[in-house]
Amino acid sequence: DGGITQSPKYLFRKEGQNVTLSCEQNLNHDAMYWYRQDPGQGLRLIYYSQIVNDFQKGDIAEGYSVSREKKESFPLTVTSAQKNPTAFYLCASTYRTLTDTQYFGPGTRLTVL
Amino acid sequence: ILNVEQSPQSLHVQEGDSTNFTCSFPSSNFYALHWYRWETAKSPEALFVMTLNGDEKKKGRISATLNTKEGYSYLYIKGSQPEDSATYLCAFEPTGNQFYFGTGTSLTVIP
Repeated sequence: DGGITQSPKYLFRKEGQNVTLSCEQNLNHDAMYWYRQDPGQGLRLIYYSQIVNDFQKGDIAEGYSVSREKKESFPLTVTSAQKNPTAFYLCASTYRTLTDTQYFGPGTRLTVL
Repeated sequence: ILNVEQSPQSLHVQEGDSTNFTCSFPSSNFYALHWYRWETAKSPEALFVMTLNGDEKKKGRISATLNTKEGYSYLYIKGSQPEDSATYLCAFEPTGNQFYFGTGTSLTVIP
């Protein structure tokens, strides 16, 4: 089946540790996105990538890093510099532009203890 | 960061009732407006992409309208069913590079 996978579904980390969230798609989409959701807030864009080896910061990129070495993969690293990392993280992809249908993964809930 | 507002925040309706919600966005620049349905424990699912003022889209019992001049979109559900229970998100796209999401309207349809 084509789609987007995110792993793991739940992730627990100690404060001060970096953690990497996985996002893989087999839809042959060019563009991929990372969003964060906090209670009472809409999804906020962290980073996006429109082609391999290129990515841009979204509105809340501080404390996060990404890479896009393969078209299928767009991992997100939550670094120790992120002041409030506990949140729900969603990955998405589109064929080329945002007006194309955007497909979302199931999400990863990160809890930093 | 642009402000996209959705109202109401939550809604409970009886099965068979029709309902509607609102998404408000800045009217100064407009590229597209998206609606998504997000069911519990599932991924958000795209409903509509709307790009022109006056656009009307329909998918079964769900339809949406768009007014870019005044900065709002309505989502209508006719004859609500329990399977329509979900959070409905709108996302505003001012330039074609980024989405700005509202906080969503949580709909519960009571059998």
